[in-house]
Amino acid sequence: ETAVFQTPNYHVTQVGNEVSFNCKQTLGHDTMYWYKQDSKKLLKIMFSYNNKQLIVNETVPRRFSPQSSDKAHLNLRIKSVEPEDSAVYLCASRQGREQYFGPGTRLTVL
Amino acid sequence: QQKVQQSPESLSVPEGGMASLNCTSSDRNFQYFWWYRQHSGEGPKALMSIFSDGDKKEGRFTAHLNKASLHVSLHIRDSQPSDSALYFCAASGLSSGSWQLIFGSGTQLTVMP
Repeated sequence: ETAVFQTPNYHVTQVGNEVSFNCKQTLGHDTMYWYKQDSKKLLKIMFSYNNKQLIVNETVPRRFSPQSSDKAHLNLRIKSVEPEDSAVYLCASRQGREQYFGPGTRLTVL
Repeated sequence: QQKVQQSPESLSVPEGGMASLNCTSSDRNFQYFWWYRQHSGEGPKALMSIFSDGDKKEGRFTAHLNKASLHVSLHIRDSQPSDSALYFCAASGLSSGSWQLIFGSGTQLTVMP
């Protein structure tokens, strides 16, 4: 049963374009995350957001930025995409110690 | 160096067989461990957690934790084709910050009919 929703499922774009991905959780959790899953299936945390406090993984390029309107939503914007941004982007939420993931958005940069 | 290491990278077992997955942490501050499972085209889903030394059994799945050696394992008995997926070990604790999960690189399990 899905409780973390992501849109779109897939997105194909060209180098230099701006893209935005949406994430909504209906679990009432306080903390949300964005992960990048690369072609080797490695999960790399990008951002965590809790009570308006943003924690950024220092390895994330500045063209990535999270956007939150309330604690149920955490969107991801990529300004001027690069070929290496092709990946699956996974949103997750947490209350307590367990994380719940959305189905992911697959980005292909041509 | 990755703080959570998994082995093997891939594993094939016959239907009905036993699958054993391993995970080792290099950080003694990690206190809590999870196994997540990711089917193709989906996000990872928590399979089971283990926080205390010893075994924890849930149906066909048994997790084992040895905090002294920082080793966690997952054993799947009577493996089914539907168990074919990517399995992640994840850890958290004092050093990961805000209960952030640190994931291993995954084990791809294939159960052959």
